[in-house]
This record gives sequence, structure tokens and C-alpha cells, in this order.
Amino acid sequence: QSALTQPASVSGSPGQSITISCTGTSSDVGGYNYVSWYQQHPGKAPKLMIYEVSNRPSGVPDRFSGSKSGNTASLTISGLQAEDEADYYCSSYTSSSTVVFGGGTKLTVL
Amino acid sequence: QVQLQESGPGLVKPSQTLSLTCTVSGGSISSGGYYWSWIRQHPGKGLEWIGYIYYSGSTYYNPSLKSRVTISVDTSKNQFSLKLSSVTAADTAVYYCARVEPTTVTPDYWGQGTLVTVSS
Repeated sequence: QSALTQPASVSGSPGQSITISCTGTSSDVGGYNYVSWYQQHPGKAPKLMIYEVSNRPSGVPDRFSGSKSGNTASLTISGLQAEDEADYYCSSYTSSSTVVFGGGTKLTVL
Repeated sequence: QVQLQESGPGLVKPSQTLSLTCTVSGGSISSGGYYWSWIRQHPGKGLEWIGYIYYSGSTYYNPSLKSRVTISVDTSKNQFSLKLSSVTAADTAVYYCARVEPTTVTPDYWGQGTLVTVSS
């Protein structure tokens, strides 16, 4: 299974919005609404931010939102804050009953 | 709230077997309702899913690691374990255990991770 494709880096200024894409295939992202997004700060474990494409776990700010079109899912962070600076990973269920992650995107808040 | 904690040797020699255990608190593995997973992260790299297990013992493994991986569960200790055989330096990584929501196969709660270095 190949990793999902994410941009290596994105950046934005405080208050702005950014979007991170996650591209897979019809066997993973495109085939199921089981895409998740994780935030990882340095030296910490990943934290679930979005599940089932667009659902937020309790406690995750509504500045974080997710969507999907075809084989590409997206994470949008609006009203960027300094604490949003982190690595972000997408993941998807696959037709082989496995899980595949994206390569990760480093978000820099300017 | 469920908590997971990885434990095991931080240094393993090449060709040997890496063994890690994840202890679950705040929830019972045997109550069902979740899968239990191992995920790793090579230094400075992205996440790689290793596999997951149900309390009944059913397992699903990453095809690229399947020949070397065994995940098992000990419901009496509320633990699950990872064994990775014939390790090389390429297996040096932070290993995470995680609870997995079964319908969507979403890892929702993660342990803090443990660094395993493969070196002689």
C-alpha cells in the first residue's frame, strides 16, 4: 500500500486560513468516508482532530474542518493561531481492511 | 478516559526480535468494541501503520511487514503486544500503540510512544 500524498509544508499568518490536501486512490480515500486527520507537536503523540472526513472529536475547536472530493480529502484550519503550528497527517481505511497514512505536512504559522 | 502505555527494550540488536507491550487502563480490552493497534514513526518521518488486533485474536497486518509481525492480546492483563522479527536499522522508530474505533478503523487514543533503536 502506498502512502497518501500530502504537501510537505504549508504556511499562513495568524488569523488566516490554510488548507492541507491528502490524495489517495479509489481503494482508500475515494472509496470510503473513513478519512482522519491528526495533529502532532514535536516529541508528542498524534492527536485525532477529524474523523469520518468531517467530524470533530469533543474538545477540538471548530476552526478545524474536513472535507472530501473524489480521491482527495482536505483539512482546513481557519483563524490560524500560533499553537496550530505542528505536523498534520491524514489517514484512510483501505479496501484491504488496513490503514494508510499520508506523508505528513508541516504547518508553519508565520 | 482510556490511557495506553508502551513498554519494552529501547535497544535491539540486528537480526533479533523486537518485543513491545501496550498496557491499557481506563477501559477493558475484553469488553470488545475496539481494535488495538501498533503504529510506528521513523525518526523525522511520517507514520506507518503496522497492524491491529481484536480481543478475540483476529488480526490485520500491513502487507509490507506481515511476514515479520505478530500482534497478540492478553485480556487477563489488559495488554496487547507486538513482535517484529529479523530487525534491521530500518526498523529504528518510535512505536505507538493506539485504540482503534472499529467501524471507521480510526486510531483515536494513542500512547506516548517509545523509541526503539536497532543497533549492535
